This record gives sequence, structure tokens and C-alpha cells, in this order.
Amino acid sequence: KAGVTQTPRYLIKTRGQQVTLSCSPISGHRSVSWYQQTPGQGLQFLFEYFSETQRNKGNFPGRFSGRQFSNSRSEMNVSTLELGDSALYLCASSLELAGGYNEQFFGPGTRLTVL
Amino acid sequence: KQEVTQIPAALSVPEGENLVLNCSFTDSAIYNLQWFRQDPGKGLTSLLLIQSSQREQTSGRLNASLDKSSGRSTLYIAASQPGDSATYLCAVSAGTYKYIFGTGTRLKVLA
Repeated sequence: KAGVTQTPRYLIKTRGQQVTLSCSPISGHRSVSWYQQTPGQGLQFLFEYFSETQRNKGNFPGRFSGRQFSNSRSEMNVSTLELGDSALYLCASSLELAGGYNEQFFGPGTRLTVL
Repeated sequence: KQEVTQIPAALSVPEGENLVLNCSFTDSAIYNLQWFRQDPGKGLTSLLLIQSSQREQTSGRLNASLDKSSGRSTLYIAASQPGDSATYLCAVSAGTYKYIFGTGTRLKVLA
């Protein structure tokens, strides 16, 4: 069974540009979450999608947005990139079961560098 | 607001030692607690998930316990090996469709 895949794995952009990252969850998983990881702030929650609906959003500016498609694949977009957006962006998928069982499985991440 | 703390921040031990990593959270109203390991520059690997109704989970040399009332979880690693060197992260789910992560414990096991 394939794991969570993220594309691209590495990305270099310049300030002011925009970027789109993609995440394909494990087959059958309908929940997809996105996190930003930086040395200074650690892992911070961006947003979570389930069946194409955003159920929760972290404390990030509106430049960060996402969406989920009917096949559960998800994309996140960052517009008007800033130097501080340089980070490892991680996607996680989970299979929500009754009783609150919600184990998250992470992809390898996309390393974004903003110059 | 849920806050998750991990102590110690870094740990260096000789091979073969048994060790304990700690995770504390401020709000006991959690659904799950999950332990992960992260190798440098890589994604997270799930180690153990403990549901709020459970007290502990075991997988091989790993054992994780959960005490909701005191806001604590521990990850016990038996007979540590150099391959266990990584950063260990705990995360709690508060039922709002997101996990809050701790800052991690960076473990180095010396051969």
C-alpha cells in the first residue's frame, strides 16, 4: 500500500512569487492535514480537509490557502512568498474510525526555499 | 489553549540503555496522543497512537503510556540502538481536527 506522497520534493522560489504544493493521501484516507515545520517554530498546523471541506485552520495569514479534490488529493497554495515562508511543508493523511481513532501518516515533505 | 512540552530537548546515551522521553500537555481533554520519530530532513514516522481511553501501547522495544489526568505521556525505549537516533515528537489531538505538536526530543545513541 503506497504511503502519502508529496510533490515536488524541493522547490526554490523568489519573494513575491506564488507556489502550489500537492499531496496524495493513502488510498482510502479522506482526511488530509498540512503543517509547516521551521527550526524556530517547530511543527505548526496549517489546515485540515475532509471530503473537500476545510474543517479547521491554523493561525496563518490568508496568503496560505488549500483545497481538496473529490479523490482526496489536496493542494496548498502560498501567494506573495516571503523569506519567512522557507520551511518544510508536511502533509498527513488519516483514516477516521469510530471512537476517535485517528492515526496520522505523514509524507516526506516539500522543502521550500524562498530567495 | 493547548500547549505541548517535551523534556529533555536533547539526550545522548550509550547503546543498550533503556530511556524515557517525556511529553506534557496543558489541557487533558484530548482524543488521541501520537508519538513520531523524524530523521533529519525527512517526514514523520508514526510510532504509537494512544486513544484517550487507553493507558498504554506497545510496539516492539517501544512502550508509550498516557495519564490524561496529569497531562503526561512517556515513551519508553528499551535497549537503545544507534538506529534509534532521531528526533522524537509527541502530538495531541483535541478533537478539533488538528494535532498540536511538542518541540521534540533530539536523541543520539552512541555506539
